[in-house]
Amino acid sequence: GAVVSQHPSWVICKSGTSVKIECRSLDFQATTMFWYRQFPKQSLMLMATSNEGSKATYEQGVEKDKFLINHASLTLSTLTVTSAHPEDSSFYICSARGGPLNSPLHFGNGTRLTVT
Amino acid sequence: RKEVEQDPGPFNVPEGATVAFNCTYSNSASQSFFWYRQDCRKEPKLLMSVYSSGNEDGRFTAQLNRASQYISLLIRDSKLSDSATYLCVVNSRAGSYQLTFGKGTKLSVIP
Repeated sequence: GAVVSQHPSWVICKSGTSVKIECRSLDFQATTMFWYRQFPKQSLMLMATSNEGSKATYEQGVEKDKFLINHASLTLSTLTVTSAHPEDSSFYICSARGGPLNSPLHFGNGTRLTVT
Repeated sequence: RKEVEQDPGPFNVPEGATVAFNCTYSNSASQSFFWYRQDCRKEPKLLMSVYSSGNEDGRFTAQLNRASQYISLLIRDSKLSDSATYLCVVNSRAGSYQLTFGKGTKLSVIP
């Protein structure tokens, strides 16, 4: 079945540094990938839709200059949290669809970011 | 009205019990529906898609009522390993890949 790999699984960084998270589709091509964020005891919230070869589409309230998304190939999307602050500490998850519109999403294993 | 709304939970049930989760969605044009489960501090994993005619996978039964914009998940003979948060997920934007997640309902199966 479709597999999505996300790296790193967890990261601890100091306030002000930038963190890059990679999301790869391992056995299928994904023209579209999605980035979600989940705070403790909250639901998954879509941050942005990453489109291969074009600009990402950000959800309302998500700063595009802070959360840089690059989808340079059909199997790789990256999310860079720039100048991270403690309030950016969260669980970041990417996902991709390995089929048509009505097929389910497959998720990466998530990245737990802690900013100190 | 929220796009996808679920029972608030948590549900604490004994092993062997039958438990039902309900979910409503606001966009009548929604086309696809899923139940995911999410274990603590893990990514969501697909449990099952939900089809118009209803579908069953072992102890799990999913139902869809388009007229009422309502989805359900029934778990029979609950196991300890069923303890997780169950997410109702809807493709709420026609023609889009984007999915909207409910807040989830936490289930704890007790020995």
